[in-house]
Amino acid sequence: AQKVTQAQTEISVVEKEDVTLDCVYETRDTTYYLFWYKQPPSGELVFLIRRNSFDEQNEISGRYSWNFQKSTSSFNFTITASQVVDSAVYFCALITGGTSYGKLTFGQGTILTVHP
Amino acid sequence: GAVVSQHPSRVICKSGTSVKIECRSLDFQATTMFWYRQFPKQSLMLMATSNEGSKATYEQGVEKDKFLINHASLTLSTLTVTSAHPEDSSFYICSADKDGDAKNIQYFGAGTRLSVL
Repeated sequence: AQKVTQAQTEISVVEKEDVTLDCVYETRDTTYYLFWYKQPPSGELVFLIRRNSFDEQNEISGRYSWNFQKSTSSFNFTITASQVVDSAVYFCALITGGTSYGKLTFGQGTILTVHP
Repeated sequence: GAVVSQHPSRVICKSGTSVKIECRSLDFQATTMFWYRQFPKQSLMLMATSNEGSKATYEQGVEKDKFLINHASLTLSTLTVTSAHPEDSSFYICSADKDGDAKNIQYFGAGTRLSVL
């Protein structure tokens, strides 16, 4: 069975601080996909990134960056120079093969609050 | 692209009535859609996988007679909460997997907040 753990329940920062959201996953499959989603107060989940298990390259998109390390089964998300609009719940998620194919396993979510 | 519309965004109903929630993919086709339930300050719990033209696949512990799913077209799935009770009050979110892109990315609707009185 697969599992995603986001150990940080809540994080509070002041605007312009950098913040890293941790994500650790468990799976026995060699082929899997990792995701990050943002859920602002409006409720809709917004897709941020997808990574497959064969691509360990880190990625940067504006103020967002992701660090994927298979050796530690981690897929951490860093926001540089945080802004108030970054306040949301962030979910890390996993899809694996086999009978679970296509089904997202979500972490518990991290509530990020950015204060002005 | 990849917009999912969910309607209604909020519904209040009396105990014993049925409520239908619609999930539409506006600019893509989706053979597979998913229905989730989310309790306050908790993660999303997958309720069922909705497949166009066939029966939905329900997760363990989810009553299929209680939560009826119909996926009649490649752009529309509906979830009907039958004989709703206060314990069914929750936030329901749908997602759609875009046909043809093989990326397993699920695009989510804005959710429906159901309150059963």
